[in-house]
Amino acid sequence: GAVVSQHPSWVICKSGTSVKIECRSLDFQATTMFWYRQFPKQSLMLMATSNEGSKATYEQGVEKDKFLINHASLTLSTLTVTSAHPEDSSFYICSARARTSGDFYEQYFGPGTRLTVT
Amino acid sequence: GQNIDQPTEMTATEGAIVQINCTYQTSGFNGLFWYQQHAGEAPTFLSYNVLDGLEEKGRFSSFLSRSKGYSYLLLKELQMKDSASYLCAALDSNYQLIWGAGTKLIIKP
Repeated sequence: GAVVSQHPSWVICKSGTSVKIECRSLDFQATTMFWYRQFPKQSLMLMATSNEGSKATYEQGVEKDKFLINHASLTLSTLTVTSAHPEDSSFYICSARARTSGDFYEQYFGPGTRLTVT
Repeated sequence: GQNIDQPTEMTATEGAIVQINCTYQTSGFNGLFWYQQHAGEAPTFLSYNVLDGLEEKGRFSSFLSRSKGYSYLLLKELQMKDSASYLCAALDSNYQLIWGAGTKLIIKP
Protein backbone atom coordinates (compact mmCIF):
# COMPACT_ATOMS: atom_id res chain seq x y z
CA GLY A 1 0.00 0.00 0.00
CA ALA A 2 0.92 3.64 -0.31
CA VAL A 3 3.18 4.92 2.44
CA VAL A 4 3.80 8.49 3.50
CA SER A 5 6.54 9.35 5.94
CA GLN A 6 7.07 12.46 8.01
CA HIS A 7 10.18 13.69 9.72
CA PRO A 8 10.64 14.48 12.51
CA SER A 9 7.89 12.70 14.42
CA TRP A 10 8.21 15.18 17.25
CA VAL A 11 10.17 18.34 17.86
CA ILE A 12 10.61 20.80 20.67
CA CYS A 13 11.90 24.24 19.80
CA LYS A 14 12.30 27.61 21.43
CA SER A 15 10.04 30.53 20.64
CA GLY A 16 11.33 32.56 17.71
CA THR A 17 13.13 29.72 15.96
CA SER A 18 12.09 27.98 12.74
CA VAL A 19 11.24 24.33 12.28
CA LYS A 20 11.13 22.33 9.06
CA ILE A 21 8.92 19.26 8.66
CA GLU A 22 9.42 16.88 5.75
CA CYS A 23 6.73 14.78 4.10
CA ARG A 24 7.64 12.05 1.65
CA SER A 25 5.59 9.64 -0.41
CA LEU A 26 7.70 6.49 -0.38
CA ASP A 27 6.26 4.26 -3.07
CA PHE A 28 4.13 6.48 -5.25
CA GLN A 29 4.15 9.86 -6.91
CA ALA A 30 1.99 12.38 -5.15
CA THR A 31 0.23 14.73 -7.51
CA THR A 32 -0.92 16.82 -4.57
CA MET A 33 0.15 17.11 -0.96
CA PHE A 34 -1.87 18.54 1.88
CA TRP A 35 -0.79 19.98 5.20
CA TYR A 36 -3.12 19.77 8.16
CA ARG A 37 -2.96 21.00 11.72
CA GLN A 38 -4.84 19.38 14.54
CA PHE A 39 -5.27 20.79 18.02
CA PRO A 40 -6.21 18.47 20.89
CA LYS A 41 -9.70 17.04 20.65
CA GLN A 42 -10.37 18.87 17.39
CA SER A 43 -10.66 17.67 13.84
CA LEU A 44 -8.14 18.16 11.10
CA MET A 45 -7.78 21.70 9.81
CA LEU A 46 -6.48 22.02 6.29
CA MET A 47 -3.69 24.57 6.15
CA ALA A 48 -2.61 24.41 2.54
CA THR A 49 -2.63 22.37 -0.62
CA SER A 50 0.40 22.08 -2.84
CA ASN A 51 1.02 20.66 -6.28
CA GLU A 52 4.51 19.75 -7.39
CA GLY A 53 6.35 22.66 -8.93
CA SER A 54 3.76 25.29 -8.13
CA LYS A 55 3.00 27.56 -5.21
CA ALA A 56 0.88 26.26 -2.40
CA THR A 57 -2.71 27.35 -1.97
CA TYR A 58 -3.34 28.43 1.59
CA GLU A 59 -6.63 28.24 3.42
CA GLN A 60 -8.18 31.39 4.74
CA GLY A 61 -6.58 32.51 7.96
CA VAL A 62 -3.31 30.65 7.42
CA GLU A 63 -0.32 32.98 7.12
CA LYS A 64 1.68 31.96 4.07
CA ASP A 65 4.74 33.92 5.23
CA LYS A 66 4.75 32.04 8.50
CA PHE A 67 4.05 28.57 7.17
CA LEU A 68 6.31 28.11 4.17
CA ILE A 69 5.52 25.16 1.96
CA ASN A 70 7.83 23.84 -0.71
CA HIS A 71 6.72 20.99 -2.93
CA ALA A 72 10.02 20.33 -4.65
CA SER A 73 9.24 17.00 -6.25
CA LEU A 74 6.48 14.45 -6.71
CA THR A 75 7.66 12.69 -3.57
CA LEU A 76 8.67 15.49 -1.21
CA SER A 77 6.97 18.46 0.40
CA THR A 78 8.27 20.51 3.30
CA LEU A 79 6.52 22.76 5.79
CA THR A 80 8.62 25.35 7.59
CA VAL A 81 7.14 27.06 10.60
CA THR A 82 9.01 30.34 10.82
CA SER A 83 9.46 32.31 14.03
CA ALA A 84 7.47 29.73 15.95
CA HIS A 85 5.45 30.74 18.99
CA PRO A 86 3.81 28.63 21.71
CA GLU A 87 0.43 28.96 19.99
CA ASP A 88 1.92 27.12 17.00
CA SER A 89 2.30 24.03 19.15
CA SER A 90 0.15 21.43 17.48
CA PHE A 91 0.04 18.13 15.65
CA TYR A 92 0.97 18.68 11.99
CA ILE A 93 -0.06 15.99 9.54
CA CYS A 94 0.69 15.78 5.86
CA SER A 95 -1.15 13.70 3.34
CA ALA A 96 -0.48 12.86 -0.26
CA ARG A 97 -2.90 12.17 -3.03
CA ALA A 98 -2.22 9.80 -5.89
CA ARG A 99 -4.67 9.03 -8.57
CA THR A 100 -5.74 5.45 -8.12
CA SER A 101 -7.42 3.25 -10.61
CA GLY A 102 -11.07 4.01 -10.71
CA ASP A 103 -12.77 7.29 -10.12
CA PHE A 104 -11.81 8.31 -6.64
CA TYR A 105 -8.92 10.06 -5.05
CA GLU A 106 -7.68 8.89 -1.69
CA GLN A 107 -5.35 10.75 0.60
CA TYR A 108 -2.62 8.81 2.32
CA PHE A 109 -1.60 10.28 5.64
CA GLY A 110 1.81 10.60 7.18
CA PRO A 111 2.21 9.68 10.87
CA GLY A 112 2.21 13.31 11.96
CA THR A 113 4.69 15.61 13.66
CA ARG A 114 4.07 16.90 17.14
CA LEU A 115 5.52 20.37 17.53
CA THR A 116 6.00 21.92 20.95
CA VAL A 117 7.21 25.50 21.13
CA THR A 118 8.53 26.59 24.50
CA GLY B 1 -21.54 26.58 2.67
CA GLN B 2 -20.07 23.16 3.07
CA ASN B 3 -20.76 21.25 6.23
CA ILE B 4 -20.28 17.82 7.74
CA ASP B 5 -22.20 16.80 10.87
CA GLN B 6 -21.49 13.83 13.06
CA PRO B 7 -22.01 13.17 16.78
CA THR B 8 -19.25 14.35 19.07
CA GLU B 9 -19.05 11.24 21.21
CA MET B 10 -20.61 7.79 21.49
CA THR B 11 -20.25 4.98 23.99
CA ALA B 12 -20.73 1.29 23.29
CA THR B 13 -20.03 -2.05 24.93
CA GLU B 14 -17.40 -4.54 23.88
CA GLY B 15 -18.91 -7.16 21.57
CA ALA B 16 -21.85 -4.96 20.60
CA ILE B 17 -22.68 -3.05 17.42
CA VAL B 18 -22.53 0.70 16.96
CA GLN B 19 -23.61 2.96 14.12
CA ILE B 20 -21.99 6.36 13.62
CA ASN B 21 -24.01 8.72 11.45
CA CYS B 22 -22.80 11.51 9.21
CA THR B 23 -24.72 14.08 7.19
CA TYR B 24 -23.07 16.27 4.62
CA GLN B 25 -23.70 19.33 2.50
CA THR B 26 -21.06 20.04 -0.11
CA SER B 27 -20.56 21.87 -3.37
CA GLY B 28 -20.72 18.87 -5.62
CA PHE B 29 -20.01 15.38 -4.39
CA ASN B 30 -17.43 12.82 -5.39
CA GLY B 31 -17.65 10.37 -2.56
CA LEU B 32 -17.63 9.90 1.19
CA PHE B 33 -14.70 8.63 3.26
CA TRP B 34 -14.48 7.25 6.76
CA TYR B 35 -11.20 7.37 8.63
CA GLN B 36 -10.19 6.05 12.04
CA GLN B 37 -7.87 8.08 14.21
CA HIS B 38 -6.35 6.90 17.48
CA ALA B 39 -5.22 9.56 19.91
CA GLY B 40 -1.90 11.07 18.90
CA GLU B 41 -1.83 9.31 15.55
CA ALA B 42 -2.69 10.22 11.98
CA PRO B 43 -5.97 9.07 10.43
CA THR B 44 -6.13 5.72 8.68
CA PHE B 45 -8.47 4.93 5.81
CA LEU B 46 -11.49 2.75 6.52
CA SER B 47 -13.89 3.08 3.62
CA TYR B 48 -15.01 4.98 0.57
CA ASN B 49 -18.54 5.18 -0.86
CA VAL B 50 -19.58 6.97 -4.01
CA LEU B 51 -22.65 4.96 -4.98
CA ASP B 52 -25.75 4.45 -2.86
CA GLY B 53 -25.74 1.35 -0.74
CA LEU B 54 -23.79 -0.64 1.78
CA GLU B 55 -20.12 -1.56 1.50
CA GLU B 56 -19.01 -4.30 3.85
CA LYS B 57 -15.42 -4.87 4.86
CA GLY B 58 -14.98 -7.32 7.69
CA ARG B 59 -16.38 -5.96 10.95
CA PHE B 60 -16.83 -2.52 9.41
CA SER B 61 -19.53 -1.49 6.95
CA SER B 62 -20.31 1.89 5.44
CA PHE B 63 -23.56 3.08 3.92
CA LEU B 64 -24.33 6.00 1.65
CA SER B 65 -27.52 7.72 0.53
CA ARG B 66 -26.67 10.50 -1.91
CA SER B 67 -30.24 11.76 -2.12
CA LYS B 68 -30.34 12.25 1.65
CA GLY B 69 -26.76 13.47 2.04
CA TYR B 70 -26.29 10.77 4.65
CA SER B 71 -23.80 8.10 5.52
CA TYR B 72 -23.14 5.80 8.41
CA LEU B 73 -20.31 3.63 9.61
CA LEU B 74 -21.35 0.37 11.26
CA LEU B 75 -18.94 -1.40 13.56
CA LYS B 76 -19.75 -4.95 14.63
CA GLU B 77 -18.29 -7.18 17.35
CA LEU B 78 -16.70 -4.19 18.98
CA GLN B 79 -13.25 -4.61 20.45
CA MET B 80 -11.47 -2.40 22.94
CA LYS B 81 -8.98 -1.42 20.22
CA ASP B 82 -11.88 0.18 18.30
CA SER B 83 -11.86 3.01 20.81
CA ALA B 84 -10.85 5.94 18.61
CA SER B 85 -12.20 8.93 16.78
CA TYR B 86 -14.00 8.26 13.53
CA LEU B 87 -13.83 10.99 10.92
CA CYS B 88 -16.34 11.43 8.14
CA ALA B 89 -15.11 13.35 5.08
CA ALA B 90 -16.83 14.23 1.82
CA LEU B 91 -15.03 14.84 -1.45
CA ASP B 92 -16.40 17.98 -3.11
CA SER B 93 -16.55 18.98 -6.77
CA ASN B 94 -12.90 20.13 -6.63
CA TYR B 95 -11.85 16.79 -5.16
CA GLN B 96 -11.06 18.46 -1.84
CA LEU B 97 -11.88 16.60 1.34
CA ILE B 98 -14.34 18.36 3.64
CA TRP B 99 -13.85 16.99 7.14
CA GLY B 100 -16.27 16.43 9.96
CA ALA B 101 -15.16 17.13 13.53
CA GLY B 102 -14.99 13.43 14.29
CA THR B 103 -16.90 11.12 16.62
CA LYS B 104 -15.05 9.87 19.65
CA LEU B 105 -16.07 6.27 20.26
CA ILE B 106 -15.60 4.93 23.77
CA ILE B 107 -15.77 1.16 24.21
CA LYS B 108 -16.57 -0.17 27.66
CA PRO B 109 -15.93 -3.74 28.80
